[in-house]
Amino acid sequence: SQQGEEDPQALSIQEGENATMNCSYKTSINNLQWYRQNSGRGLVHLILIRSNEREKHSGRLRVTLDTPKKSSSLLITASRAADTASYFCATDKEGAQKLVFGQGTRLTINP
Amino acid sequence: EAGVAQSPRYKIIEKRQSVAFWCNPISGHATLYWYQQILGQGPKLLIQFQNNGVVDDSQLPKDRFSAERLKGVDSTLKIQPAKLEDSAVYLCASSFSGVKSTNEKLFFGSGTQLSVL
Repeated sequence: SQQGEEDPQALSIQEGENATMNCSYKTSINNLQWYRQNSGRGLVHLILIRSNEREKHSGRLRVTLDTPKKSSSLLITASRAADTASYFCATDKEGAQKLVFGQGTRLTINP
Repeated sequence: EAGVAQSPRYKIIEKRQSVAFWCNPISGHATLYWYQQILGQGPKLLIQFQNNGVVDDSQLPKDRFSAERLKGVDSTLKIQPAKLEDSAVYLCASSFSGVKSTNEKLFFGSGTQLSVL
């Protein structure tokens, strides 16, 4: 069963622009994680944000979490061609011990 | 630090045949996961081990899929017999402690791409 749903499903922007991806979920969570997957590769962890946090930064990445709205966003600033990948949010359910991944956003950065 | 190792990288079989995938997690990681990722979708958890015990296998089709993690290190995932709908990438991941595994980041292998003809 899907817990997190990403939006949009696909996003294409020019190099240098900012990219924003959103994730909505249904039930209360302990934390939310974002992962990147390059074509033909495994997933790579980007950021973990806990339910009591509102914003987190890592380099060009900024993640926000709105627990009343049950949503999160991932912002990539000053995008590069190497950022072309699929991005997934993963959430747990309070009391559960497993992460559930969304369907992902396919991001394409055009040079 | 060495990453999560998986083999084979690719596998093509006919329906009703058997197939096995192998995973070696990062050294010292207690929790190991097998995910199935169908093209265009997110990974779906099949089974989660903590050391050599099963934490969650609620989405594992137990009539055809089996997994084991002997000695709490390497793991194998088997499909017998395979169906067309099993065509997917099978990803193995590991995390450090697993005590509160959803609070930790997962490290993924590159996956095994299975094609069932």
